[in-house]
Amino acid sequence: KNEVEQSPQNLTAQEGEFITINCSYSVGISALHWLQQHPGGGIVSLFMLSSGKKKHGRLIATINIQEKHSSLHITASHPRDSAVYICAVLGGGQFYFGTGTSLTVIP
Amino acid sequence: DTGVSQNPRHKITKRGQNVTFRCDPISEHNRLYWYRQTLGQGPEFLTYFQNEAQLEKSRLLSDRFSAERPKGSFSTLEIQRTEQGDSAMYLCASSFIAFQGVIPYGYTFGSGTRLTVV
Repeated sequence: KNEVEQSPQNLTAQEGEFITINCSYSVGISALHWLQQHPGGGIVSLFMLSSGKKKHGRLIATINIQEKHSSLHITASHPRDSAVYICAVLGGGQFYFGTGTSLTVIP
Repeated sequence: DTGVSQNPRHKITKRGQNVTFRCDPISEHNRLYWYRQTLGQGPEFLTYFQNEAQLEKSRLLSDRFSAERPKGSFSTLEIQRTEQGDSAMYLCASSFIAFQGVIPYGYTFGSGTRLTVV
């Protein structure tokens, strides 16, 4: 059983579409982290949040602590958004990772 | 500062050999983390340090794995008697956490060291 579950596992979208990636977790956490991993393997931190909502450009992340759920939204998606998006939760000093959502945005 | 640096980028080794990887974190970061990632999977936590103290070690980490951060700056991860199952990308990350803080800031990953055991 994974402490962190992401859905969908794979997602294909047309350029311009609004995208939502979901993350549910089962452990008590102090923060949740959304990461982006490109095909070359490099990982970039997108957001770390412990409540509410954060926005950065076309990316929006929300978290509902009571429901143990977070969503990552991408507005006006672009082919350069194609990557694997990973949800990680910080609990007990360590991170638990989801297996990622592979996003492909088609021009 | 050029971010989190990991060396080497790639390592091919024969089964049974020992390997050592190095991670240089962002200089003002006091926390350093090691992760392992296999193909198609998310990263798995291995261990983390706050300054030179190793605070947490995953149950996944067998006795063949050891990590150090002797002066609270760079860290090394050593794998002894490598096995084919050790083949993976080994990722290092660093962050800053305030005294008595809970949430780390500036969390940054390195590019990883890809280990292939043949």
